[in-house]
Amino acid sequence: DGGITQSPKYLFRKEGQNVTLSCEQNLNHDAMYWYRQDPGQGLRLIYYSQIVNDFQKGDIAEGYSVSREKKESFPLTVTSAQKNPTAFYLCASSRLTGNSPLHFGNGTRLTVT
Amino acid sequence: GIQVEQSPPDLILQEGANSTLRCNFSDSVNNLQWFHQNPWGQLINLFYIPSGTKQNGRLSATTVATERYSLLYISSSQTTDSGVYFCAVGGGNTGKLIFGQGTTLQVKP
Repeated sequence: DGGITQSPKYLFRKEGQNVTLSCEQNLNHDAMYWYRQDPGQGLRLIYYSQIVNDFQKGDIAEGYSVSREKKESFPLTVTSAQKNPTAFYLCASSRLTGNSPLHFGNGTRLTVT
Repeated sequence: GIQVEQSPPDLILQEGANSTLRCNFSDSVNNLQWFHQNPWGQLINLFYIPSGTKQNGRLSATTVATERYSLLYISSSQTTDSGVYFCAVGGGNTGKLIFGQGTTLQVKP
């Protein structure tokens, strides 16, 4: 079955460490996105990519970095510069023909202490 | 940027009841989607509906783009409908979406 796989489901890190969250899709979607969700809040866009080797900042990109070396993969690195990294991180993808439905992975819950 | 406002913020229903959730947005959009987030955090796309009306089983949605609002109808609610319902909108052709704060629905047996 096609879908979006995020790993790990739960991640614990000490303050000051960089951490990379994995996102892989086999839907053959061109566009991929990273969103952050804080408790009781909506989702906010961190980064997005419409094509391999290209990506753009979203609304809250500071303290994060991404890469898009393959169409299927869009890993997110939470750096030590991110002031409040503890959150639920959701990866999504969509076709790029016009606007099309957004599909989400199951998310990674990151806790930094 | 575009502002998205959802109402009500919280809703408690008895199983079998009907409900209407509303999404207002502040600017013209060409992309509007409704999502359901279950208690485990999974987000499921319910509708891609920049305009018009769609139905899927007990759920239906209507978007009146000229008046900048969308409605999600849930009929004969079930306990499995519980969770948070998000409206998300976008303009341009990047596929980027701005999410509302959500409506938290609890359906009691």
